[in-house]
Amino acid sequence: QKEVEQNSGPLSVPEGAIASLNCTYSDRGSQSFFWYRQYSGKSPELIMFIYSNGDKEDGRFTAQLNKASQYVSLLIRDSQPSDSATYLCAVRGGANNLFFGTGTRLTVIP
Amino acid sequence: DAGVIQSPRHEVTEMGQEVTLRCKPISGHDYLFWYRQTMMRGLELLIYFNNNVPIDDSGMPEDRFSAKMPNASFSTLKIQPSEPRDSAVYFCASSFGYNQPQHFGDGTRLSIL
Repeated sequence: QKEVEQNSGPLSVPEGAIASLNCTYSDRGSQSFFWYRQYSGKSPELIMFIYSNGDKEDGRFTAQLNKASQYVSLLIRDSQPSDSATYLCAVRGGANNLFFGTGTRLTVIP
Repeated sequence: DAGVIQSPRHEVTEMGQEVTLRCKPISGHDYLFWYRQTMMRGLELLIYFNNNVPIDDSGMPEDRFSAKMPNASFSTLKIQPSEPRDSAVYFCASSFGYNQPQHFGDGTRLSIL
């Protein structure tokens, strides 16, 4: 079992809709969780991080963490074509190593 | 403030040649990470340094790979000899503190023919 699992997609949503990206992790001792956005041919760019159970909002982005169920999600409200990218979930495990998922490719259709 | 700077951006070379990738972390960051990204395996941590000292190199795939950090502002990742299966994008990232978010460079796209 991989440390971090994501659906590779592609996930397609119409412009203005809510995009929901999900990530599950295997290490119950994980303490911190990150979402990176990666445009094609570019480097990963940090967009959100969350440490505590519940929701954390930043503009159009909301990260949701449920440690009991071992999943973390990213919601993008009012999706824009410029949000089209691959979204990487990263989880810092109990042994303090950071593991990345393989990413979910999001396409926002104008 | 300048971000993480990597060079070269692209490298194409023949198998068997030595390849050296370079990284300048963000000033003041005390952690530096080298990653490799492929379509099949995603982003994999190769090695990381704390205050110029290698801490965990368990992700380095083979003895052909080596990394150094002679000072706080410079690190290299070397592959010798290179093989076609080393073709990937190699990223360097740095952070201020191990648990803090990592900031990535633009990467080096390496092609071994």
